[in-house]
Amino acid sequence: EIVLTQSPGTLSLSLGERATLSCRASQSISSNYLAWYQQKAGQAPRLLMYGASSRAPGVPDRFSGSGSGTDFTLTISRLEPEDFAVYYCQQYVSSPTWTFGQGTKVEIK
Amino acid sequence: EVQLVQSGAEVKKPGESLKISCKGSGYSFTSYWIAWLRQMPEKGLEWMGIIYSGDSDTRYSPSFQGQVTISADKSITTAYLQWSSLKASDTAMYYCARRASHEEYYDYWGQGTLVTVSS
Repeated sequence: EIVLTQSPGTLSLSLGERATLSCRASQSISSNYLAWYQQKAGQAPRLLMYGASSRAPGVPDRFSGSGSGTDFTLTISRLEPEDFAVYYCQQYVSSPTWTFGQGTKVEIK
Repeated sequence: EVQLVQSGAEVKKPGESLKISCKGSGYSFTSYWIAWLRQMPEKGLEWMGIIYSGDSDTRYSPSFQGQVTISADKSITTAYLQWSSLKASDTAMYYCARRASHEEYYDYWGQGTLVTVSS
């Protein structure tokens, strides 16, 4: 099973700042089969990125994804009020269990 | 508009059975897989299993195999997650989610069903 480790656990930033979230895999993720989700308090997760760097429909372009192999990054270029949430990465290369990271919380400083 | 609407919150006692539902609309239900995921209180997401209602092909995570049953009724575009004997450790939020067309990520999610198991 591929283990995904996200860091930091919590990111405290101000509006307008840049957020950089890391997701590290225990094994290489081929074909960049990695997705990112945003979960706001009391809501279901929302797909942000797939294929490591492709934005889902409707996702603002301040969100970007990058990386390959075992190291992946989600970047939010300028934080807006609605971006404060928990973010999860998910790998979908290794069946039968598609694993998620433990999450990074982006909070207002 | 694609929608997945889940059944309401449940409070059950240990040993009781339960079946929760996820109704899809706004798309061809039988052309997509529906997954179930668990989120325990203040924890991350765990993939439980998935079903293709077109032919009822079902797959389970080894962690959940034998603990739950996933089914679907394509005539009413609804997927189900059921337990025959609940435990306190089943207390969690459960989400259904639609698998994207060709890859195993999830593009639409239900609102979640909170299951509380307590004596």
